[in-house]
Amino acid sequence: QVQLQESGPALVKPSETLSLTCTVSNGSISSDSYFWSWIRQPAGKGLEWIGRVYASGSANYNPSLKSRVTISVDTSTRQFSLNLDSVTAADTAVYYCARLRGYGHHWFDPWGQGTLVTVSS
Amino acid sequence: SVLTQPPSVSAAPGQKVTISCSGSSSNIGSEYVSWYQQLPGTAPKLLIYEDNKRPSGIPDRFSGSKSGTSATLAIAGLQTGDEADYHCGAWDFSLNSVVFGGGTKLTVL
Repeated sequence: QVQLQESGPALVKPSETLSLTCTVSNGSISSDSYFWSWIRQPAGKGLEWIGRVYASGSANYNPSLKSRVTISVDTSTRQFSLNLDSVTAADTAVYYCARLRGYGHHWFDPWGQGTLVTVSS
Repeated sequence: SVLTQPPSVSAAPGQKVTISCSGSSSNIGSEYVSWYQQLPGTAPKLLIYEDNKRPSGIPDRFSGSKSGTSATLAIAGLQTGDEADYHCGAWDFSLNSVVFGGGTKLTVL
């Protein structure tokens, strides 16, 4: 069973860059038909899709975050990463990585356990 | 949220409950819907995909359906362990983005 694990700083200062990495285990990050995605959830709120990356490096982003987000992939280490620039308190959330079945299907499975990132000085 | 869910639903153990997810022609009306169960303090888990399919290991008490621009998750034979937040999601081709509902908190009385 494919497993995902997020890692990165739990605290980021306002105006700085939030950087997280997701490590894929027990499976290939280069699988056909699957993308690798980031989703976040502020406390007590719903889910927000951040973006996705394919093993080739091609990425798509949520239009509301597109100007600040970069998602990249390193197939040699089976990791994909999230960079979110110029963060504010509104970016405080639990960040999840997940595998996304693409090409007209669009469901997420599995998910990482999530990591809480707080934006504060 | 682009998709609309009721904030909360409740029912007694053993009963059946339904959770609605309303969208538009650019998402639910033309794209597959998925549902996720999020138990307290845990990550979401895929419950239903492609409108009405259950992943391996998901009991048949959970079912999904879709009509027009709305989707419904039904849970039969409610158990206290079903208390969780439930989220719907779909691709939106006009936004070129995955969209979610705001989530529905299920209470088993």
